Amino acid sequence: EAAVTQSPRSKVAVTGGKVTLSCHQTNNHDYMYWYRQDTGHGLRLIHYSYVADSTEKGDIPDGYKASRPSQENFSLILELASLSQTAVYFCASSERQGAGNTLYFGEGSRLIVV
Amino acid sequence: GEKVEQHESTLSVREGDSAVINCTYTDTASSYFPWYKQEAGKSLHFVIDIRSNVDRKQSQRLIVLLDKKAKRFSLHITATQPEDSAIYFCAATSGGNYKPTFGKGTSLVVHP
Repeated sequence: EAAVTQSPRSKVAVTGGKVTLSCHQTNNHDYMYWYRQDTGHGLRLIHYSYVADSTEKGDIPDGYKASRPSQENFSLILELASLSQTAVYFCASSERQGAGNTLYFGEGSRLIVV
Repeated sequence: GEKVEQHESTLSVREGDSAVINCTYTDTASSYFPWYKQEAGKSLHFVIDIRSNVDRKQSQRLIVLLDKKAKRFSLHITATQPEDSAIYFCAATSGGNYKPTFGKGTSLVVHP
């Protein structure tokens, strides 16, 4: 069974609308991440969290908010969706390790903003 | 912050040949270097990693080399097969940082 699940898997949103991408993990991992994938840019970190009720900014947080209400759940929120936020979004989880952590990815959420 | 450059954006090899993907990083504090594979239309999954206390690691047909002096690491896929065709991402994580930084990916095509 998939240990990191994302919803929705695909969404079309209108410019200026609100979008929430949800992620649920059953790995019992402390760390959760949101990345976006764009052709030519690879994966870029938006937000991450290492404990419930706390989130941290990644490398490209502008235009995004995150919420971690429990260890299992991590949401990415686009309050005012823009065309430039069209991308595939991946959630991932990892254990807390001393010096490095393997990421386990969800299936991805394809967002198209029109 | 850490920057990871993945040198080959595309790579084409014949089945049975070896493929090599090279990455460089900037942060001398980085100590964990995983590789991920993304097949067409799918998510990423972990394939192999190396930590800074060793310079070589092998798992079946995959070999990772790490040169800390040059801040370079590479993935070698030996005896390639068509199912090795995918996008491969390298990443680097600073010790205690928990923020993996990814390269832009290398699209590997293995021709039968």
